[in-house]
Amino acid sequence: EAGVAQSPRYKIIEKRQSVAFWCNPISGHATLYWYQQILGQGPKLLIQFQNNGVVDDSQLPKDRFSAERLKGVDSTLKIQPAKLEDSAVYLCASSPQTGKDQPQHFGDGTRLSIL
Amino acid sequence: GNSVTQMEGPVTLSEEAFLTINCTYTATGYPSLFWYVQYPGEGLQLLLKATKADDKGSNKGFEATYRKETTSFHLEKGSVQVSDSAVYFCALSGTGGGNKLTFGTGTQLKVEL
Repeated sequence: EAGVAQSPRYKIIEKRQSVAFWCNPISGHATLYWYQQILGQGPKLLIQFQNNGVVDDSQLPKDRFSAERLKGVDSTLKIQPAKLEDSAVYLCASSPQTGKDQPQHFGDGTRLSIL
Repeated sequence: GNSVTQMEGPVTLSEEAFLTINCTYTATGYPSLFWYVQYPGEGLQLLLKATKADDKGSNKGFEATYRKETTSFHLEKGSVQVSDSAVYFCALSGTGGGNKLTFGTGTQLKVEL
């Protein structure tokens, strides 16, 4: 079974520029998550999709971050404009369905550095 | 709201030593509890889970027991190896809408020969 695929692995941009990350979940997984992991901290949920609908985006900074999952499969996360504090690893995860017992499967992440 | 507290690292052990990483949580209802491991440059991998009180999760020699009376989920391994060196995250999934994971800050484990 192929895992969660993310690209790019690394991205370096200057503040105020825009950037986009891509995620392809495990085949058949209905639920997709984007997490932000700042150095030395645990991941924090940004947004959760169930198929192509948003379940939870309460911690997404909507003035600069956006995400979509148009066909209920792969997803993109965008930051525009980027700030220095957005330097982090952005992790995508998926699970078969939504439910507290469902383990989430993570990709290797995109490491974003803001200069 | 939900929260997870882990012991701070780094934890440095000699090979074959006994490992304990403490984890306590605050949550309403009956969350599910997880341990994830992160190797350098990689994403998180599920190590083990427990979904109800007194459940014991186990995998690759690691164990953790869901203790509701002490709101704890401590990770243990009887004999660590150099290959166990990684960052370990305790997490919970609550009973509210969705099932987002709330993570602790992680504990770095270094195992030396």
